[in-house]
Amino acid sequence: EPEVTQTPSHQVTQMGQEVILRCVPISNHLYFYWYRQILGQKVEFLVSFYNNEISEKSEIFDDQFSVERPDGSNFTLKIRSTKLEDSAMYFCASRVGQGLTDTQYFGPGTRLTVL
Amino acid sequence: AQSVTQLGSHVSVSEGALVLLRCNYSSSVPPYLFWYVQYPNQGLQLLLKYTSAATLVKGINGFEAEFKKSETSFHLTKPSAHMSDAAEYFCAVSDANTGRRALTFGSGTRLQVQP
Repeated sequence: EPEVTQTPSHQVTQMGQEVILRCVPISNHLYFYWYRQILGQKVEFLVSFYNNEISEKSEIFDDQFSVERPDGSNFTLKIRSTKLEDSAMYFCASRVGQGLTDTQYFGPGTRLTVL
Repeated sequence: AQSVTQLGSHVSVSEGALVLLRCNYSSSVPPYLFWYVQYPNQGLQLLLKYTSAATLVKGINGFEAEFKKSETSFHLTKPSAHMSDAAEYFCAVSDANTGRRALTFGSGTRLQVQP
């Protein structure tokens, strides 16, 4: 069964460094999402992406964040200058379309630790 | 704004006992509702979803949930717990009125199954 994959599974970085989290969505899916979960808190929506542009973003997704689909398979989340509070599990998701029966499929997550 | 509340951050049941995980939503119009499960070190997997068809929704692994508009609830049940059901369960909502497909998650309920 096709699945969303994410790399790396765990990323440790120093505060102020740039990180890029990578996702490979399911191949025929057109809509892509990033969510994050700070330890002990809710899963929160960050951004959705369709047709090579951001379709929606939350207030969390500020200028420090950017997303890109650099080729036909990868979907990346970049954090330009990491802060301690960016430490979280980051989940990528994809869905084939916007129909009622379309499901968001989630990847296993990347745990980001900012020191 | 849409939101969901999950009552009980931890639920413990005996193997073979009924599982009941509670979720209440707040929305002026019935939203789309979802239950996801997260096993240790894995991503979020869809258990079932309500998209305004049948109010009793059957999902994978013997789980089901009933949408009750009068109670603004979408509780998850399973008649007989299995050890393999031990995981974290998330209720989520998306907006049926605007077509916004980003998910808003509850805080999660960790299910323990005792032998």
